[in-house]
Amino acid sequence: QVQLQESGPGLVKPSETLSLTCTVSGGSMSNYYWNWIRQSPGKGLEWIAYIYHNGRTNYNPSLKGRLAISIDTSKNQFSVTLNSVTAADTAVYYCVRAPGGVYYFDSWGQGALVTVSS
Amino acid sequence: QSALTQPASVSGSPGQSITISCTGTSSDVGAFNYVSWYQQHPGKAPKLMIYDVYNRPSGVSNRFSGSKSGNTASLTISGLQAEDEADYFCSSYTSSSSRVFGSGTKVTVL
Repeated sequence: QVQLQESGPGLVKPSETLSLTCTVSGGSMSNYYWNWIRQSPGKGLEWIAYIYHNGRTNYNPSLKGRLAISIDTSKNQFSVTLNSVTAADTAVYYCVRAPGGVYYFDSWGQGALVTVSS
Repeated sequence: QSALTQPASVSGSPGQSITISCTGTSSDVGAFNYVSWYQQHPGKAPKLMIYDVYNRPSGVSNRFSGSKSGNTASLTISGLQAEDEADYFCSSYTSSSSRVFGSGTKVTVL
């Protein structure tokens, strides 16, 4: 049973950079899309980006200019950075797996709350 | 990309059936049979309930079913139970190879 665990600072100052890492255990990273999805307090889900095991990426157009996603399969980790953050970026950030060749999310991390505040 | 449109809330009595709609466009829901549904209890991560419009993952009750017509997908919960009280989100693949979620629906069991 694959497990995903988010890690990173829970508090980021406005205009600074948010960085999160997801550690994958209990399974290979090959042939999967590795996603970041966020949920603002009391709001819906927003897909942020994905990275395939071979490094191919896709970003949410509304965030594309501020985003970067990377993967290190040797460490079974993938990461996201979001720069120039504002209070609107306060959310629970989930790392999520999607099998290659399909279009749904089958395994989710427990989520990490990131608050943007001075 | 705009979020898919879902009703804010749906309610029903135990044993009844309810249906949650998810309306998108011809660039997402209407273009592909790649709609999935997720159940989220408070403070928990979402759980996959339906994929590719009407398929159920192993372990999900057959009381949950999905369908689609045009730009609107639907999730039906039959034989409503107290444990079904949760938030439900739809998601679709899009023509730009990205993913979009619905606004979410709170299901209340009366």
